[in-house]
Amino acid sequence: DVKVTQSSRYLVKRTGEKVFLECVQDMDHENMFWYRQDPGLGLRLIYFSYDVKMKEKGDIPEGYSVSREKKERFSLILESASTNQTSMYLCASHNTGTGDYEQYFGPGTRLTVT
Amino acid sequence: AQSVSQHNHHVILSEAASLELGCNYSYGGTVNLFWYVQYPGQHLQLLLKYFSGDPLVKGIKGFEAEFIKSKFSFNLRKPSVQWSDTAEYFCAVSTYSSASKIIFGSGTRLSIRP
Repeated sequence: DVKVTQSSRYLVKRTGEKVFLECVQDMDHENMFWYRQDPGLGLRLIYFSYDVKMKEKGDIPEGYSVSREKKERFSLILESASTNQTSMYLCASHNTGTGDYEQYFGPGTRLTVT
Repeated sequence: AQSVSQHNHHVILSEAASLELGCNYSYGGTVNLFWYVQYPGQHLQLLLKYFSGDPLVKGIKGFEAEFIKSKFSFNLRKPSVQWSDTAEYFCAVSTYSSASKIIFGSGTRLSIRP
């Protein structure tokens, strides 16, 4: 089974803090994604990466950056957390090689910025 | 830009009732279609997917969906729901030109009365 893990299930940070959210997948997938999930808005793509050190902006990249130094790890960085970044953050991965575009999701990190 | 619409935000049914959740997308080309489900406290998981072939797709737990190209729709159905189907359901689409990126709908919360 594909496993996608996220470093924290719950996180509370103060406004202005730098926040790191970590995601690791164990299936050698090329593509990894960061979404935020908000009630009534569904999942919105923040950033994705299709290879090590490669990244592309999603639909809502403002206020976020990412890092992918190793294939299995994809980090989301909030340079200076703000209250409007309080949300559920979901990481996902998939493998393009098989032509199966199903994305596999981690359990999510619920971030509260106070 | 592609978009996905789920018109039912919250659906409440009694056990054994039939279910149909609507999903429409806006894109004129070839698409891949997905339904994901998020049970309370659990991570997002794939319910079913359509890439090509038979437009009637069967998924896990008795769910099915029908792709109607002329209506740009991919509605989810189940003939008889159970209390355990209480969850949030997300329709999603990707295109052949951008298969790695999945656009999600805003979600439908399904509550089943026992």
